[in-house]
Amino acid sequence: DAKTTQPNSMESNEEEPVHLPCNHSTISGTDYIHWYRQLPSQGPEYVIHGLTSNVNNRMASLAIAEDRKSSTLILHRATLRDAAVYYCILSTSYDKVIFGPGTSLSVIP
Amino acid sequence: SAVISQKPSRDICQRGTSLTIQCQVDSQVTMMFWYRQQPGQSLTLIATANQGSEATYESGFVIDKFPISRPNLTFSTLTVSNMSPEDSSIYLCSVEEGSGRAYEQYFGPGTRLTVT
Repeated sequence: DAKTTQPNSMESNEEEPVHLPCNHSTISGTDYIHWYRQLPSQGPEYVIHGLTSNVNNRMASLAIAEDRKSSTLILHRATLRDAAVYYCILSTSYDKVIFGPGTSLSVIP
Repeated sequence: SAVISQKPSRDICQRGTSLTIQCQVDSQVTMMFWYRQQPGQSLTLIATANQGSEATYESGFVIDKFPISRPNLTFSTLTVSNMSPEDSSIYLCSVEEGSGRAYEQYFGPGTRLTVT
């Protein structure tokens, strides 16, 4: 299974942009890159996904490197509600989502 | 996106007993998944449940310990059998929406289980 590597934790100041990196050097040509986040005491929630091109939605932006071996989730303006564990996941098979340890994001007021 | 509810939201159980967790979805879905999240850890996939077929279990999980039912396209149950304190975890169900590889998963709020 293709693996992802993320920093264990990151800090950001409130109202500043946050760039959450993810390395996936063994990604296959058909793997999508997914991001989920888990707020305290809640189930994970879908954030964004992409294949090759950069993607934007109401929650975040996803920047994918040209060689697809890394990607960055961008929160344009961090709020206290964005404090969560962020998971970068490759779709290693048609149906399964396998979670790694993720990045714990702290937002400082 | 699908809305998922789970019952119970939490429970405290004695070792040796069993607990059945229910997962209800507000729309018909093909794939449902059960995860376990031990304290301070990430999520671990237990099994995939398709309606009309036997659940597919991940390595380290067996049907005798975690029997799963999937009677229709909106409902599934996970039973944690013969519980021990090591089974204390949050159990989450999820569903998949989308097509091909461009899918998204949506999760229920989880069931917090404590085994004493």
